[in-house]
Amino acid sequence: ETGVTQTPRHLVMGMTNKKSLKCEQHLGHNAMYWYKQSAKKPLELMFVYSLEERVENNSVPSRFSPECPNSSHLFLHLHTLQPEDSALYLCASSQDPVNYGYTFGSGTRLTVV
Amino acid sequence: SQQGEEDPQALSIQEGENATMNCSYKTSINNLQWYRQNSGRGLVHLILIRSNEREKHSGRLRVTLDTSKKSSSLLITASRAADTASYFCATVYGNNRLAFGKGNQVVVIP
Repeated sequence: ETGVTQTPRHLVMGMTNKKSLKCEQHLGHNAMYWYKQSAKKPLELMFVYSLEERVENNSVPSRFSPECPNSSHLFLHLHTLQPEDSALYLCASSQDPVNYGYTFGSGTRLTVV
Repeated sequence: SQQGEEDPQALSIQEGENATMNCSYKTSINNLQWYRQNSGRGLVHLILIRSNEREKHSGRLRVTLDTSKKSSSLLITASRAADTASYFCATVYGNNRLAFGKGNQVVVIP
């Protein structure tokens, strides 16, 4: 385990469902990130939280809604998704990315049917 | 924006052989990082090389950096089946964000 835990590992949801992805880190990192990884595409940075404040939102559709209630937890709330949203969603955290990089969770494999 | 970009080739090698993959980037960097991703899992930080370094070793990994050509290479020596994974380079940009390349898949055949 890396110290960043994501749940669930797999999720299948219908287009009308509402679900949430959870990410938890107890590494004492002050920044957390959501990435989307689709087949044969580069990693897409979705959201960045620094000290529990959202500091970056990369033109992500509003059907994805992040939440960071404290420095250890990060959520991604999903509603009315589309099949093209099926992907591996990765959470990462960092304290000093320049010198130590990111620590990633194992991801949630999301399938939208 | 993506700054790191690996050579878009998939490598298939026999166990015990060396695997080399390359990465190019577009702007000046503080450092370049390499990550490994096993199938369906998260990325794992492997090694970091600073802009003033030309070569760095970590176990069976050897990374080189050529800032004049804006390129880096990752060499895995004496490969093992467990090295089968995708390998990504990443550079830091903007507000300490990491930009990842597309990844280079390596298959090590036992």
